[in-house]
Amino acid sequence: NAGVTQTPKFRILKIGQSMTLQCAQDMNHNYMYWYRQDPGMGLKLIYYSVGAGITDKGEVPNGYNVSRSTTEDFPLRLELAAPSQTSVYFCASNPGTGGLYEQYFGPGTRLTVT
Amino acid sequence: QKEVEQDPGPLSVPEGAIVSLNCTYSNSAFQYFMWYRQYSRKGPELLMYTYSSGNKEDGRFTAQVDKSSKYISLFIRDSQPSDSATYLCAMRLMDTGRRALTFGSGTRLQVQP
Repeated sequence: NAGVTQTPKFRILKIGQSMTLQCAQDMNHNYMYWYRQDPGMGLKLIYYSVGAGITDKGEVPNGYNVSRSTTEDFPLRLELAAPSQTSVYFCASNPGTGGLYEQYFGPGTRLTVT
Repeated sequence: QKEVEQDPGPLSVPEGAIVSLNCTYSNSAFQYFMWYRQYSRKGPELLMYTYSSGNKEDGRFTAQVDKSSKYISLFIRDSQPSDSATYLCAMRLMDTGRRALTFGSGTRLQVQP
C-alpha cells in the first residue's frame, strides 16, 4: 500500500492564482481530512469527508473548496490565492469504522503565496 | 484561550535522558488522547494513544492521561538521537461524526548524542 499520497510536494503561487492540491489513499478509508499547519500553531482542520459525495467544513474553510467523487481521492481547491494561505497542507484518512481513531497522514504540500 | 496548550520548546536533552512532554486542555469532553511524532518535512505519525484516563506503555514510551487535571504526558526513556522530532498531542471527542482531531502546537525535541 502506498498509504496517503499528496501532490505536488512544493508550489509557489502568485496572489490571485488558483490551484488544486491532490490527495489519494489506497486503504479504502471512508474518512478523509485536509489540515493546514502553520509554524507554532499546530494543525487546523480545513475540510473533511465521511464518504464519497459527502463533505463538510472544518475550523478554517474560508478560501478553500473540496469535492469527493470517489473513496480514493479528496482534492483541495484554492481559489484566488492569498498570502495568508502560505502553509503546509496535510491530507489524512481514517477507516471510520468501529472505535478506530488513528489518522494516517500524507507527506504534505508546502505552498507559498507571494 | 486555546483548546489544547503545548509548550513549543525547543527541548534539548543529552542522549539517554528521560524526556517529559506535556499538554493541557480545556474541553472535558475529550475522550481519546494521542501523541503524534513528526520528523522534519514529514507528515505526523501516530506514536501512542490512550482512551480516557490512565497509563499506557510501549517500549521506551509511556503515555499518561489525568482527566481530573485535564493534563496528558508522554515520557520517553533512554532517549536516542533518532527521537529528535516534533511531538504533537491530539485529542478527540467520543463522537460518531467527523472524528476530527484537535492538535496542540507541538514540542520540538532535540536529543544530543
